[in-house]
Amino acid sequence: DTGVSQDPRHKITKRGQNVTFRCDPISEHNRLYWYRQTLGQGPEFLTYFQNEAQLEKSRLLSDRFSAERPKGSFSTLEIQRTEQGDSAMYLCASSPSGRDEQFFGPGTRLTVL
Amino acid sequence: GENVEQHPSTLSVQEGDSAVIKCTYSDSASNYFPWYKQELGKGPQLIIDIRSNVGEKKDQRIAVTLNKTAKHFSLHITETQPEDSAVYFCAASDWGGADGLTFGKGTHLIIQP
Repeated sequence: DTGVSQDPRHKITKRGQNVTFRCDPISEHNRLYWYRQTLGQGPEFLTYFQNEAQLEKSRLLSDRFSAERPKGSFSTLEIQRTEQGDSAMYLCASSPSGRDEQFFGPGTRLTVL
Repeated sequence: GENVEQHPSTLSVQEGDSAVIKCTYSDSASNYFPWYKQELGKGPQLIIDIRSNVGEKKDQRIAVTLNKTAKHFSLHITETQPEDSAVYFCAASDWGGADGLTFGKGTHLIIQP
């Protein structure tokens, strides 16, 4: 399968703990996006990378959130001091250079107790 | 910023009938309009898209129409089948997609046998 992969698929944590998610985009896709989706809603944009550069961040991305894409390949999203309101599905999408289409991974479902 | 409204929130049709889902957008700078299908526990899957220089696009049983003047676009599914049951999302973005996609809230399509 050469699609977008995300790890882990599910994460349960206690309030106040830190969590980190990983996204592996489709090979040679230089654009990578993170979204958050809560129950009954559409995905909401969090941040965008072009290669290793983080070019856009939504106001939804509070100071407790940080994302990296160190070598322009995989990306990580870290949430520090998790809160119950962080419970959601975190989706990653990738896109080839010069194209609009975004291809989504299966997501990581985070539950904060 | 962009705002995308989607209707209806739930749509139930008999197998074999057609289904239509409608979306409106607010930002005249938006020029890329994809539709995604999301099944339970999975990430969104791109099913069709349209760009602002095209009024209609068709792919087998699925078609999308765009009215730039009225700022609305619609998804048409003909000869619906049980496997079409899912949540469908419309989305919009401008050139380059650096701000990510803005999604509607989704339509739960139910195909009645």
